[in-house]
Amino acid sequence: KAGVTQTPRYLIKTRGQQVTLSCSPISGHRSVSWYQQTPGQGLQFLFEYFSETQRNKGNFPGRFSGRQFSNSRSEMNVSTLELGDSALYLCASSLVLNTEAFFGQGTRLTVV
Amino acid sequence: DQQVKQNSPSLSVQEGRISILNCDYTNSMFDYFLWYKKYPAEGPTFLISISSIKDKNEDGRFTVFLNKSAKHLSLHIVPSQPGDSAVYFCAASGPVGAGGTSYGKLTFGQGTILTVHP
Repeated sequence: KAGVTQTPRYLIKTRGQQVTLSCSPISGHRSVSWYQQTPGQGLQFLFEYFSETQRNKGNFPGRFSGRQFSNSRSEMNVSTLELGDSALYLCASSLVLNTEAFFGQGTRLTVV
Repeated sequence: DQQVKQNSPSLSVQEGRISILNCDYTNSMFDYFLWYKKYPAEGPTFLISISSIKDKNEDGRFTVFLNKSAKHLSLHIVPSQPGDSAVYFCAASGPVGAGGTSYGKLTFGQGTILTVHP
């Protein structure tokens, strides 16, 4: 059974640009959550999608957005990139509401 | 407002001995707790979880204990192996539905670096 797949693994972007990250959940998982990991803030919750609907959102500015498609694949978008957006972005999927979440390898975003 | 805290940044243990990682939480609404293991630049790997209706859960070398009155949980690894060396995160989730707003949200501690020496 394939795990959570995130693409790309690494990205380098310039300040002011936008970026789109992709996440394919484990087959059958309909809940997809996104997290940002930085050395200073640790793992922070961005948002969660279920059946193409955003059900929960963390404390991040509106530059961070996401969506989910009918096949449960999800994308997150960050517009007007800032240096502080450099982080490891992690996607997690789960089968049953608020139980074990399985993470992908992450996308390392560097903003220069 | 850090609702989940891992007060020990690091722990060093000899191979074969017990590793005990601790975690405290402040939000009494949390009802599900998880432990993850993480290597640098990789995603966390799920280890073990426990519901708030239980006080202990075992899976092989890993046991998680939950003390709700103290708002404290711990992960025991016995015996510890060098391959267990990694960063360990505890995480908590809250109720959903009926006014709960925790859909899909895990609140993580800051992590504890475990080093197991041969």
